[in-house]
Amino acid sequence: GAVVSQHPSWVICKSGTSVKIECRSLDFQATTMFWYRQFPKQSLMLMATSNEGSKATYEQGVEKDKFLINHASLTLSTLTVTSAHPEDSSFYICSARDSPSQPQHFGDGTRLSIL
Amino acid sequence: TQLLEQSPQFLSIQEGENLTVYCNSSSVFSSLQWYRQEPGEGPVLLVTVVTGGEVKKLKRLTFQFGDARKDSSLHITAAQPGDTGLYLCAGVGRDDKIIFGKGTRLHILP
Repeated sequence: GAVVSQHPSWVICKSGTSVKIECRSLDFQATTMFWYRQFPKQSLMLMATSNEGSKATYEQGVEKDKFLINHASLTLSTLTVTSAHPEDSSFYICSARDSPSQPQHFGDGTRLSIL
Repeated sequence: TQLLEQSPQFLSIQEGENLTVYCNSSSVFSSLQWYRQEPGEGPVLLVTVVTGGEVKKLKRLTFQFGDARKDSSLHITAAQPGDTGLYLCAGVGRDDKIIFGKGTRLHILP
């Protein structure tokens, strides 16, 4: 089946640093990738949608200069949280799909803790 | 804004009992999905329902999509400890974006 891998699975860093999270589709071409954020006891909230080779489309309220998304290949998208602060601590989950008619396949998430 | 309300938020029942989880919205969705999420992991798709009134079964799990495509239910028969987890309903809108409910945290006691 379709597998999406996220790396790292857990990261702890100091306030002010930038953190990069990778999302890879292992056995299919991810034409579109989605980035979600999930706070404790909350649901997944869509942050942005990215199509390979194009700029990401951000949801209302998500700062594009803070959450940099790159989707330069059909198997890899990265999310960089710039100048991270404690309020950015959350569970970040990516998903990917081959085409609009296909379901999204989710990664296992990255737990980000900013001290 | 499209919202999905799930109820109950928490449910703790004995092994062998039956249960139903509800997912309601004021919006119409092109399809509705149910996911199960384990702690520290991403959600795993259980089923997608597309047609109003559709019923799908997955072993002891029965999923139903409302006639108006605004609500759905998940019924588990003879619950087992292995069913413990967070169940999320998610609506797929016309723009193809997925809107998630807050989830129902289910705990089955042995």
